[in-house]
Amino acid sequence: DAMVIQNPRYQVTQFGKPVTLSCSQTLNHNVMYWYQQKSSQAPKLLFHYYDKDFNNEADTPDNFQSRRPNTSFCFLDIRSPGLGDAAMYLCATSSRDRGGTDTQYFGPGTRLTVL
Amino acid sequence: GENVEQHPSTLSVQEGDSAVIKCTYSDSASNYFPWYKQELGKRPQLIIDIRSNVGEKKDQRIAVTLNKTAKHFSLHITETQPEDSAVYFCAASKQAGTALIFGKGTTLSVSS
Repeated sequence: DAMVIQNPRYQVTQFGKPVTLSCSQTLNHNVMYWYQQKSSQAPKLLFHYYDKDFNNEADTPDNFQSRRPNTSFCFLDIRSPGLGDAAMYLCATSSRDRGGTDTQYFGPGTRLTVL
Repeated sequence: GENVEQHPSTLSVQEGDSAVIKCTYSDSASNYFPWYKQELGKRPQLIIDIRSNVGEKKDQRIAVTLNKTAKHFSLHITETQPEDSAVYFCAASKQAGTALIFGKGTTLSVSS
């Protein structure tokens, strides 16, 4: 069942201290997404990679960056976390243009706490 | 851009009753409509999806209907069980593998 893996599952950081969240997948999907989900809200897309092409959502703060060194891995970097960045961060993958379905498969999420 | 409205925000039913959640979307170019179930502290799990070339799809106790003209789609759960209790999100996207725009979610409570 571990097709989309996120590490760590829980992350505590201090205000302003950079943090990196990790996502890996064994599905060989060419699209990887990062969502932010705050309590009692819907997931909100931050950005996604289509292969190596990075697509940033217009309202994603500059504080959030991402890297995708290869097909399997994608990282979310928060350069200077603020209290408002405390949330669940969900990684998802899907297959585009490869005959796969549109289905996005979500990882278990990383819950970020900012002190 | 796309906007997805979801109603109701909370829904309480008795075990065995049916539950219906409705969503509307704004962008007529949207052509893929998944529904996700999210239990507390867990990941969203796809439960059913529908594409714009189909009007209805059913999987055991769960069905989804799509009205492209009116730009709305609905989730129907029959014979509800306590384990159906969760938050349900509808979503829409314009193209395979592109961003999903989520509704705000419906908290379904099934009491026995």
